[in-house]
Amino acid sequence: EDQVTQSPEALRLQEGESSSLNCSYTVSGLRGLFWYRQDPGKGPEFLFTLYSAGEEKEKERLKATLTKKESFLHITAPKPEDSATYLCAVPNNAGNMLTFGGGTRLMVKP
Amino acid sequence: GAVVSQHPSRVICKSGTSVKIECRSLDFQATTMFWYRQFPKKSLMLMATSNEGSKATYEQGVEKDKFLINHASLTLSTLTVTSAHPEDSSFYICSAFLAGGTDTQYFGPGTRLTVL
Repeated sequence: EDQVTQSPEALRLQEGESSSLNCSYTVSGLRGLFWYRQDPGKGPEFLFTLYSAGEEKEKERLKATLTKKESFLHITAPKPEDSATYLCAVPNNAGNMLTFGGGTRLMVKP
Repeated sequence: GAVVSQHPSRVICKSGTSVKIECRSLDFQATTMFWYRQFPKKSLMLMATSNEGSKATYEQGVEKDKFLINHASLTLSTLTVTSAHPEDSSFYICSAFLAGGTDTQYFGPGTRLTVL
């Protein structure tokens, strides 16, 4: 059974203080790893898909990386508007159903 | 691109009534859509998989007679909460699966259901 674990559960940063969020996974065969951002009272917003170890993707202050066992979401010089819950997920063998981690709630203080 | 809408965004109803939530993929066709439920400060819990033209597949513990799902077209799935009770109050989110290429689920904005 696929398992996804995110840490930390919550992270408080000062504006400009860079950090990383972790997503560890156990799957029978990786078909990709997805990162989403979720704001309170909203649905998740797609950020990145990573497919193979060593792959990196960037979007503004966010950079996602992937190894064979985990993914990191690096946040460089975060701003208060980056405050949200970040979710990672892996698809099943058919590629269409997602197993989500518990999420990391990021709070960036000005 | 890849926009998913949900309607309504909020609904308040009396106990015993039924509520229908619509999920539409606006700029792509989705043979598969998913319905999730989310409790405060918790991750998404998959309720069911909705396949166009066939019966939905429900996750263990989800009552299929209470949560009726219809996927009548490639751009529309509906979730009907029948005989709603206060314990059904929750945040319901749908997603639509965009196959081919990145095989990505795109999520709707969610519907907040409050049952009085």
